[in-house]
This record gives sequence, C-alpha cells and structure tokens, in this order.
Amino acid sequence: DAKTTQPPSMDCAEGRAANLPCNHSTISGNEYVYWYRQIHSQGPQYIIHGLKNNETNEMASLIITEDRKSSTLILPHATLRDTAVYYCIVRVRRNFGNEKLTFGTGTRLTIIP
Amino acid sequence: EPEVTQTPSHQVTQMGQEVILRCVPISNHLYFYWYRQILGQKVEFLVSFYNNEISEKSEIFDDQFSVERPDGSNFTLKIRSTKLEDSAMYFCASTRGLGNNEQFFGPGTRLTVL
Repeated sequence: DAKTTQPPSMDCAEGRAANLPCNHSTISGNEYVYWYRQIHSQGPQYIIHGLKNNETNEMASLIITEDRKSSTLILPHATLRDTAVYYCIVRVRRNFGNEKLTFGTGTRLTIIP
Repeated sequence: EPEVTQTPSHQVTQMGQEVILRCVPISNHLYFYWYRQILGQKVEFLVSFYNNEISEKSEIFDDQFSVERPDGSNFTLKIRSTKLEDSAMYFCASTRGLGNNEQFFGPGTRLTVL
C-alpha cells in the first residue's frame, strides 16, 4: 500500500469547514483513498473513499487532485463531535475484501467552540 | 443500524493467564479482523479471517494468539499466556466483501495485563 503523509494536528472553529489534507504521491492506479476517524480511543469509523472522482456522502466530501497525488477531506460544518484523529489510508479495493488497513499517525483535528 | 459489538469492554488479567476477547460482527459480513492499539500508538493489524481460516496475519500474531469463529456469530481472539506488553485496546472489525469492503469496527476491549 502507498504511503501517506498528513499534518499531525489541525484546529478548526465550530461551524466552519474543516479541510484535512493528505499526500499520497506514490499511489498506484488501482489504489483507492480511504478516510477513517477515531474519536478518543473508540473503534475507527469509516468516513468515505474514492478512486479519482470527487465523492460526497452524509458525513464528508473527498476531493482528489487530478494527478491523484493528494486529496482533501472536507467536513462542511464542523461540530465539537468531529474532534478526532483522522486517518488517510491508500489501499487496493478488491471484490474480495480481506485486505488489512494500515493506519498511520493521522491528523488530530480539534474543533474549537 | 447494525454494528459490531465486543465484550468485555475492559478485561484485567494477571501475566501468564489466558484471555478470550469476544466479538459479534455484523450479521451478513464475511470477513473479520482483529487490530490492536497500544496506548498512544498506531492502530496495528493483527489478523484477518475468512471462510473459517486465517487469510493474513502480522508479525505480532505469534503462537500465543489464536482466532476462532465457534458458532457462526461470535469471532474470538485468544491470548494463551498474556504478557505485560499485550496491554492494549483490541478492536474487532468486519466487512461484507463482495465489492463492498469498508471495514466496520467495534468499540474495542481494553486489556490490562498486570
């Protein structure tokens, strides 16, 4: 799996959009970008994933650059409950889903009231 | 919404004792995993399990560890002779597979080895 680079920490004001960057310059053509988060030692929570197109769901938006070497996770209206460690993970997505997730150190996002 | 559950939430044991951590994956999921997270460190993969056998295991998953799906619903992690360094949060995860392989994690079991 390709290596990712994320800033160790970020702050965001409550109600504003939180933009979390991730660099994955060695990503391969068949590797997807996944985002998970972990709220205070709870189990990691899946947020969103994408291959090359921008994606949006009820939790977040994922913007992937055209060369796929970086991406940004956007939480449109951050709340205090979004305070967590956010992990950007690049991995192959096969039809048979037994691939492990390799977690880095992530970005610790703190939402400020 | 279906979720992965784990019991107990906290397990305290003496060094050298056996522990069994239990997980109930989401009912229609086919692939199961155990991860651990030592306090202040990364989440680390231990083992994946499919069709009643181990698919992949990490270097951490040595002979002291075993996994089992004894009854079609529970998925267990056994540590035969616990060591102090086994103290960690242990997370179970499951995924449906078949083109939909986002992993869903349980709340974790905090294992404390004294």
